[in-house]
Amino acid sequence: GAGVSQSPSNKVTEKGKDVELRCDPISGHTALYWYRQRLGQGLEFLIYFQGNSAPDKSGLPSDRFSAERTGESVSTLTIQRTQQEDSAVYLCASSLGHGRLAVYEQYFGPGTRLTVT
Amino acid sequence: ELKVEQNPLFLSMQEGKNYTIYCNYSTTSDRLYWYRQDPGKSLESLFVLLSNGAVKQEGRLMASLDTKARLSTLHITAAVHDLSATYFCAVDIYNDMRFGAGTRLTVKP
Repeated sequence: GAGVSQSPSNKVTEKGKDVELRCDPISGHTALYWYRQRLGQGLEFLIYFQGNSAPDKSGLPSDRFSAERTGESVSTLTIQRTQQEDSAVYLCASSLGHGRLAVYEQYFGPGTRLTVT
Repeated sequence: ELKVEQNPLFLSMQEGKNYTIYCNYSTTSDRLYWYRQDPGKSLESLFVLLSNGAVKQEGRLMASLDTKARLSTLHITAAVHDLSATYFCAVDIYNDMRFGAGTRLTVKP
């Protein structure tokens, strides 16, 4: 079946511009996660959505970052007034659920490589 | 704050050799994941370890978890070039996943 898809795969933008990154999770997956991966580094958690619950925004690095998700479908990550330090690969993952009652493995998309010039 | 430390960060090894990658974490957890990432690609799940003493093997890779020591290991047996990639461990604290910095493995002929 189809996996997690992300678009665009690459985005080059000028400093100060806003960008929108899109994630299509696996159908039926109620949980969706956004991560940032800077060059040569591990993944940094940004935000997650679980069903209709309020999202956990604890990882967002500044108020320039925001994300939305409609129901259990597509999510968009928006970065306003981009800075050069925002350059990174942004990875999206989805899972069947989120919680301690079961193991919910995360499936990752291919990522969006963002370059801020 | 949960910290996840991997070592080594870079590993160059000869084909046919064995080696172990270590993942230490700072807070109690009974869920640990290992992922593989090829250059320019996304993360591929390798192992999910769910309890103290858990051991899983797939091909030339074997992962183990010691929750008391807060340590997981990824052991590579008789390395082959196809194993060249970056390997990440990730610790799950109430579904808050924290990733190590990754170990970039290069297997040379």
